[in-house]
This record gives sequence, C-alpha cells and structure tokens, in this order.
Amino acid sequence: GESVGLHLPTLSVQEGDNSIINCAYSNSASDYFIWYKQESGKGPQFIIDIRSNMDKRQGQRVTVLLNKTVKHLSLQIAATQPGDSAVYFCAENNRGSQGNLIFGKGTKLSVKP
Amino acid sequence: GAGVSQSPRYKVAKRGQDVALRCDPISGHVSLFWYQQALGQGPEFLTYFQNEAQLDKSGLPSDRFFAERPEGSVSTLKIQRTQQEDSAVYLCASSLDGINMNTEAFFGQGTRLTVV
Repeated sequence: GESVGLHLPTLSVQEGDNSIINCAYSNSASDYFIWYKQESGKGPQFIIDIRSNMDKRQGQRVTVLLNKTVKHLSLQIAATQPGDSAVYFCAENNRGSQGNLIFGKGTKLSVKP
Repeated sequence: GAGVSQSPRYKVAKRGQDVALRCDPISGHVSLFWYQQALGQGPEFLTYFQNEAQLDKSGLPSDRFFAERPEGSVSTLKIQRTQQEDSAVYLCASSLDGINMNTEAFFGQGTRLTVV
C-alpha cells in the first residue's frame, strides 16, 4: 500500500517507552494547534489540541506542550504501544482562517515490540 | 456509516482527462474542507465551505481545480485537464462549525489520484 511516511523523519522506540515528537510551527499569529495521527491508507485522526493561551494539555496517554517563545510544539506519548505506529503531524490554525490548517512535515513513529 | 466518506477510493486518470472526486460529510456538519496530500508530505489546504458557501479557495493550485457543495451537504472536487503533478491523495474533512477547541474536524480516507 501507499506509504504516508516515505522520506519523513523517523522516531523508533521500544514498546512501553515514552515517545516525544517535536514540531516547529511557522506563524506567530497561529492561536490553535492540533496533533494528528495518520496510519497508512487512512486520513489524519485527531489526537489532541491546544490553544495559544495554554502551555500544556493532557489527554489519555498523550500530552501536548506549547512554547510560543520559540514556536515549538511537542507531543508526548506515554507507554508507547505498537498501535501507536503511524505518521504524526502537527497543524496550526489562526482564528482568521477557519479551515486553513497548516500541517507540518510529519514524523514517522515506529514502535518495536 | 458515521464517518466522512470519499469516493472513489482510487482513481487513475490519463493526462488531460477530467476527474470528479466526491465527499459525503458527516450528517449535520456545516463545515467542509478539501486538502491535497502529496506522497510523504503533510496535507495542504485547498478550499473550505460553510454550508453551500465557499468561504476560502485560496489553496486551489490553478483554475483547473474547482469545488462545489450546491446543497450544503455532498461536495465534489473537480480537476480539469489533469497533469502528472496533480497525482496525490485528496482528503475531505467535515466539522460541526469550523476548526477550534469546541469542534473537531473529521477526515475521510481520501481519494488517491494517479495521473499517467
């Protein structure tokens, strides 16, 4: 099947370890950020989001950190599982452009059993 | 089904041929978005509808690309005189109202277009 992760940076982790995926965003006016997971042959799937007035947000096994000073976003996945293997994209949006999400280049996460 | 449905799943077109890609959003979703994803890249915005109104088409790469949503539900992305650089996965997403903390956008599986 097609490879979403072709030529993307790859992060390889052992099952059970924590994963950290980083993203640098481009627009200082962006006020809303989303992490998506994309498995091969599927569309992006929402994981977690954060607004620019927040530094940190936690979900189930996932945490997003936002550093507006250096325009950096990270996704932390606790106790990584084989089912977490996918390509992860950060996306940014500003209030003035309702549907225009700007996606980052993506990171391929590979979980070794 | 409950999700965003796109058809066809795969499309092979000869260069110069016109194609039409269909998106059935989740019922009741006001907002609909089209994105283009080249192999190994992140999705790139094409256009956005609020009901039947096309509010943003700034991402359409050329006038060969046209999108419509005449009744505020199903949308069609049409590409005229396809070129090899049009080969990509075309993703459709829908949401209750825009993209923000209160409303998530759900993506379909995409249509993989290959122009030969």
